[in-house]
Amino acid sequence: QVQLQESGPGLVKPSETLSLTCTVSGGSISNYYWNWIRQPPGQGLEYIGYIYYRGNTNYNPSLKSRVTISLDTSKNEVSLKLTSVTAADTAVYYCARGCSGGSCYNWFDPWGQGTLITVSS
Amino acid sequence: DIQMTQSPSSLSASVGDRVTITCRASQTISSYLNWYQQRPGKAPKLLIYAASSLHSGVPSRFSGSGSGTDFTLTISSLQPEDFATYYCQQGYSPPRTFGQGTKVEIK
Repeated sequence: QVQLQESGPGLVKPSETLSLTCTVSGGSISNYYWNWIRQPPGQGLEYIGYIYYRGNTNYNPSLKSRVTISLDTSKNEVSLKLTSVTAADTAVYYCARGCSGGSCYNWFDPWGQGTLITVSS
Repeated sequence: DIQMTQSPSSLSASVGDRVTITCRASQTISSYLNWYQQRPGKAPKLLIYAASSLHSGVPSRFSGSGSGTDFTLTISSLQPEDFATYYCQQGYSPPRTFGQGTKVEIK
């Protein structure tokens, strides 16, 4: 059974770069999309972007200028970098696996437990 | 971007009630509509994919319907563990946008 685990610094200073890692266990990164989604405290879900195992990426236009998603297939890890953070980037950050193939309707399953990132000086 | 609008934003219901949540897309998305349940402090979980297909392990009291722009999530008989927030999500085109959520509370 595939499991995802996010890890990160917890606290990031304004204007700095947020770096998160999603470690995939119990399965391979191959043949799937890997997504990042965030949720500000008390608010709804915001889609950040995805990377396909072959390296193709797509980002939410609202964050595109600041986001980079990458893969390390040797470590079975997916990474997120978000530059120039502000308090508005405070959120729980989730990674989630996306499907691929002819019967795929681009759902997310499973999800990691999420990691809270607070942007504050 | 495709905008997803859920209604209502919240509702109060009793155990055993039938509950219906709607989701409307700003443009046609065929059946590329997925539903999630999120309990407080937990990650969302997939309930329904492709508008009407029940994800493995999800109780049969959950069902989904719709296509094009209008979709519905129905809980046929609300159970105590169903009190949570529900989100729709379109998978038709990137970015994969979510509805704002519907919080189901105990009456």
